[in-house]
Amino acid sequence: EPEVTQTPSHQVTQMGQEVILRCVPISNHLYFYWYRQILGQKVEFLVSFYNNEISEKSEIFDDQFSVERPDGSNFTLKIRSTKLEDSAMYFCASRGGQGGPNYGYTFGSGTRLTVV
Amino acid sequence: QKEVEQNSGPLSVPEGAIASLNCTYSDRGSQSFFWYRQYSGKSPELIMSIYSNGDKEDGRFTAQLNKASQYVSLLIRDSQPSDSATYLCAVSPGYSSASKIIFGSGTRLSIRP
Repeated sequence: EPEVTQTPSHQVTQMGQEVILRCVPISNHLYFYWYRQILGQKVEFLVSFYNNEISEKSEIFDDQFSVERPDGSNFTLKIRSTKLEDSAMYFCASRGGQGGPNYGYTFGSGTRLTVV
Repeated sequence: QKEVEQNSGPLSVPEGAIASLNCTYSDRGSQSFFWYRQYSGKSPELIMSIYSNGDKEDGRFTAQLNKASQYVSLLIRDSQPSDSATYLCAVSPGYSSASKIIFGSGTRLSIRP
């Protein structure tokens, strides 16, 4: 079964440092997403990405965040200057083009980001 | 603010019984509806999607949608201990394939032997 792959599984960083979270979506998928889940809270939308540009972003996705698809396979989330409140599990997801919005996403296994 | 509401639980159901999970949503224009299962410390896993009023069955799972009441439910028949998890209701408010999914906070389900 095709998978969304995320690396690293756990990242510890010092406050103020930059981090890059990496994702390899399913190869024939066209739509890519980042979500986060703070411990004990709901899964929150950050950003959607299609055709090499951001389709939509939430109010959480401020100037400290950026996304990139540097080649045909990777999809990255960069946090420029991490804050304590950025500590969360970050999930990458992808969706195929067929069927439109009626098809759910496939999520990666997540990166647990801990800011100290 | 578009919301998806779920009872947080925990919902305790005996093994072999039917578990019933419910969800309401605020955006009447929502198009697609999903149920995800999330084990502790793991990522959400898609169980069912539904976009037409009525029932949709897949194995032991049945999703029910009532757009007039803005209500989605998930029934799990013959509940097994492995069904113990948090069940996330999710709604796609948009028409395009790039549309985000908005998640509820989840209902914790516990299947007791």
